[in-house]
Amino acid sequence: DVKVTQSSRYLVKRTGEKVFLECVQDMDHENMFWYRQDPGLGLRLIYFSYDVKMKEKGDIPEGYSVSREKKERFSLILESASTNQTSMYLCASSPGTLGGTQYFGPGTRLLVL
Amino acid sequence: QKEVEQNSGPLSVPEGAIASLNCTYSDRGSQSFFWYRQYSGKSPELIMFIYSNGDKEDGRFTAQLNKASQYVSLLIRDSQPSDSATYLCAGKTGTASKLTFGTGTRLQVTL
Repeated sequence: DVKVTQSSRYLVKRTGEKVFLECVQDMDHENMFWYRQDPGLGLRLIYFSYDVKMKEKGDIPEGYSVSREKKERFSLILESASTNQTSMYLCASSPGTLGGTQYFGPGTRLLVL
Repeated sequence: QKEVEQNSGPLSVPEGAIASLNCTYSDRGSQSFFWYRQYSGKSPELIMFIYSNGDKEDGRFTAQLNKASQYVSLLIRDSQPSDSATYLCAGKTGTASKLTFGTGTRLQVTL
């Protein structure tokens, strides 16, 4: 079974703090993704990576950065957290060649006060 | 412009009935489509995917794709209360592995 894990299920941070969200997958997938999910807006892609040290902006990259130093690990960084970044953050991974199925981690619910 | 559209619902069906969930897409280059189920507070889990015109069946689930009409649907036969969830439709375009998700349809299966 594909397993995608995220470092925290719940996180509370203060405005202006630097926040790290980490995602690890154990299936040697080439592609990894970070989404945020908000009521009524669905899943929105923040960044994705198709290889180590490679990254591409998604639909809403502003205020975020990412790091992929190892194939299995993809980190999302909020440089200076703001209240409008309160959301559910979902990480996903997919193999490079087979159809595009994405497998999701359990999610991190972030509250920025 | 949203490329994958879904009615947000809720769609309410009685237990044992067929639930029909629909999705339309605007990008004719979309090649394959995925249906995910998401329980409240949980992450999406894959139900099935389809890339050829026609029907694809997996247990109680049938996905239907009509590329001419740019329409994808998911039928759930013999609906159970445990099927109550939000169903996300997603489309894949080109060789990239990105998916474009709809906002989901909430399904309620009533006793």
